[in-house]
Amino acid sequence: GAVVSQHPSWVICKSGTSVKIECRSLDFQATTMFWYRQFPKQSLMLMATSNEGSKATYEQGVEKDKFLINHASLTLSTLTVTSAHPEDSSFYICSARDRAGGAGVTEAFFGQGTRLTVV
Amino acid sequence: GENVEQHPSTLSVQEGDSAVIKCTYSDSASNYFPWYKQELGKRPQLIIDIRSNVGEKKDQRIAVTLNKTAKHFSLHITETQPEDSAVYFCAASKGNTDKLIFGTGTRLQVFP
Repeated sequence: GAVVSQHPSWVICKSGTSVKIECRSLDFQATTMFWYRQFPKQSLMLMATSNEGSKATYEQGVEKDKFLINHASLTLSTLTVTSAHPEDSSFYICSARDRAGGAGVTEAFFGQGTRLTVV
Repeated sequence: GENVEQHPSTLSVQEGDSAVIKCTYSDSASNYFPWYKQELGKRPQLIIDIRSNVGEKKDQRIAVTLNKTAKHFSLHITETQPEDSAVYFCAASKGNTDKLIFGTGTRLQVFP
């Protein structure tokens, strides 16, 4: 099946610094990618939809100036957590769905996730 | 927007018994309903999915049923094994490549 690769798998940063997380679709083109955040023992909460060549669409309550999303190519989306604080510590996961073949509902593929710890 | 509710939040069964997890969704336009198994610290793994033009789908010990009228779908695991222990999430989306909205999750424990 299709592969989505996310990097880094874990990162520890100091409060006030910024962290960039990369999400790549390795064998398909993804005009749209999705960023989720998962706190311990909770569900995956959609943060934003990353759109290639245009602005990301953020879910209600997600600060777009804090969580910067860039989708500069058909295979790469990045999430930058700016001025990170301890409450931003979480598991961040990206996802993409392969649009190859045109019509038809397609499976979503997930990156490995990034464990962010802000100290 | 779409809202997905999932029950129960925890489920404990004896090995060999069946487990059933239920989800309801709010958006009647949703047409894709996957189920994921997630182990601690890992990415969700797709275990089965169903599209809105199908009422039931089975894959060995796992089955999913969909009731579009009532807007609910269920995961059935038969002959449970200890390795089935994990957190299970349902999800829903509409369109061919639209975002997935996840349920709240069910922690399944299978005791030997």
